[in-house]
Amino acid sequence: QKEVEQNSGPLSVPEGAIASLNCTYSDRGSQSFFWYRQYSGKSPELIMFIYSNGDKEDGRFTAQLNKASQYVSLLIRDSQPSDSATYLCAVNSNTGNQFYFGTGTSLTVIP
Amino acid sequence: SQTIHQWPATLVQPVGSPLSLECTVEGTSNPNLYWYRQAAGRGLQLLFYSVGIGQISSEVPQNLSASRPQDRQFILSSKKLLLSDSGFYLCAWLKVANTQYFGPGTRLTVL
Repeated sequence: QKEVEQNSGPLSVPEGAIASLNCTYSDRGSQSFFWYRQYSGKSPELIMFIYSNGDKEDGRFTAQLNKASQYVSLLIRDSQPSDSATYLCAVNSNTGNQFYFGTGTSLTVIP
Repeated sequence: SQTIHQWPATLVQPVGSPLSLECTVEGTSNPNLYWYRQAAGRGLQLLFYSVGIGQISSEVPQNLSASRPQDRQFILSSKKLLLSDSGFYLCAWLKVANTQYFGPGTRLTVL
């Protein structure tokens, strides 16, 4: 059973639209949830983290967490071509020392 | 400032040869450190993590090993590389608020 699951995509949205990325996780003890952006050939870059149920907004990015449904999502408003990348969802273990990553969703923003 | 370094950036090695990848962090002490591998088109696989000098936890049994000889140094090694060891090797460290940040990575090709 995979710890973290994401739709691999590819997901294509037009410039200016909202991109919605989804992630589910299996460990109910997980406390911290992360979204990373990875450009081709580069290392992952942390863009959002969320600990509590509800929404967390940072600029054009909003992370949403529903622990009851074991579901995390990332919304990107006013999508730009520079947002084209693979987005990785990650959760930590209930011990807090280990992190589990999804396989990523490839996003393409079409100018 | 806090930074994480990895070297080499790229490496091409023949099957059966040894491997040594190095990761160092600056601007912090006693960080949690992690080694991940990302195979082509796949997600991040946690290989090892360390909570302190000489303390290594292995996630996946294979022909790789890790060591932490100094507080801010984490080394990934192999005595004999396999073709399946090819991938993008990423070192990461744990910062405040349980957030994990990645180094620039080492791209390893085993021929």
